[in-house]
Amino acid sequence: EAGVTQFPSHSVIEKGQTVTLRCDPISGHDNLYWYRRVMGKEIKFLLHFVKESKQDESGMPNNRFLAERTGGTYSTLKVQPAELEDSGVYFCATAPRGNSPLHFGNGTRLTVT
Amino acid sequence: GESVGLHLPTLSVQEGDNSIINCAYSNSASDYFIWYKQESGKGPQFIIDIRSNMDKRQGQRVTVLLNKTVKHLSLQIAATQPGDSAVYFCAEGGSYIPTFGRGTSLIVHP
Repeated sequence: EAGVTQFPSHSVIEKGQTVTLRCDPISGHDNLYWYRRVMGKEIKFLLHFVKESKQDESGMPNNRFLAERTGGTYSTLKVQPAELEDSGVYFCATAPRGNSPLHFGNGTRLTVT
Repeated sequence: GESVGLHLPTLSVQEGDNSIINCAYSNSASDYFIWYKQESGKGPQFIIDIRSNMDKRQGQRVTVLLNKTVKHLSLQIAATQPGDSAVYFCAEGGSYIPTFGRGTSLIVHP
């Protein structure tokens, strides 16, 4: 089975620019999560989809972040406009159901200069 | 060991030794816990999980112990190998939103 795929693997942008991260889940995994890890700190929750519906977006830092999952398949996370503190590694993880292990992608390393 | 919210600790061991990585959790209502291993440049990978109706679970070379009284979780790795070098995270998965700590960096010296 193909794993969770994230694109791009790295992105370097200037402050004020826009970046869109993409996550392709494992087929059949209705639950899709976005997490972020900044500077070796904890992996922090951003939001959770079940199919195309946002179940919880309490971790989204502000309205510069927008996540979508049209059709309940792949998901995108857009940061607009990017700020320096947005730098970090953004992980997507999926699961077939709640209370089951997450399957992570390899992450997108975002650097805002 | 690891405690959610504190500085990333490091554990250094010699190849062949046993490793113990600790984790304290805060939510007494949590009923599901997972250990993940993250190697450089990759996403976290599932190692082993345990539900709150158990206090011990064994896998291949790994054992997870759960002490609900003191809200403590540990991961034991037997005969640690260089390939075990990674950052290890415990996660509380009792809700639909798994919560992670900062991780423990395990360094295995040959």
